[in-house]
Amino acid sequence: DAGVTQSPTHLIKTRGQHVTLRCSPISGHKSVSWYQQVLGQGPQFIFQYYEKEERGRGNFPDRFSARQFPNYSSELNVNALLLGDSALYLCASSRLTGQISYTEAFFGQGTRLTVV
Amino acid sequence: KQEVTQIPAALSVPEGENLVLNCSFTDSAIYNLQWFRQDPGKGLTSLLLIQSSQREQTSGRLNASLDKSSGRSTLYIAASQPGDSATYLCAVPSNSGNTPLVFGKGTRLSVIA
Repeated sequence: DAGVTQSPTHLIKTRGQHVTLRCSPISGHKSVSWYQQVLGQGPQFIFQYYEKEERGRGNFPDRFSARQFPNYSSELNVNALLLGDSALYLCASSRLTGQISYTEAFFGQGTRLTVV
Repeated sequence: KQEVTQIPAALSVPEGENLVLNCSFTDSAIYNLQWFRQDPGKGLTSLLLIQSSQREQTSGRLNASLDKSSGRSTLYIAASQPGDSATYLCAVPSNSGNTPLVFGKGTRLSVIA
């Protein structure tokens, strides 16, 4: 079975541009979460989606948005890019049971975004 | 608010040594704790998931323990190898049983041949 897949793997954008990152979860997983990881830090939560609905949002500006599609894949969109948005963006999928997750989170290989 | 701390931030050991990585969390009302490995510039690989009802979990040369009451977990790596060199991260759910995960900053491990 394929793991969590993310595309693209690397991306270079200019300040002020828009970017879309994509994630396909493990088959059978209905929950997708997005994290931002800057160098030397642990990943920081951005969004979680379950069954196409937003379940949680981290402390990120409105320039960040996301959605989940009927096939449970997801997109993360960032508008008006800033230099500080340069980071590794990670997608995770998990199998949720109702409100509580007892299961593992599985991560993709990430998208390295560089804003110049 | 859940906070996770990992000590030490970096560790360098000779090949063959047994070692322990530490993780502490401030809110003990967790349902599970997960240990990950991250190679430079790569994604996270799940190593072990410990449910709150468990005290430890083992996979090969890795053993993770969990003490909820004290807010601590340890990852024990036996007979370390150069291929174990990576950053190790621990993470817990931010609320009781719900994702998202709150991560520590990780421990960067170097195993010297």
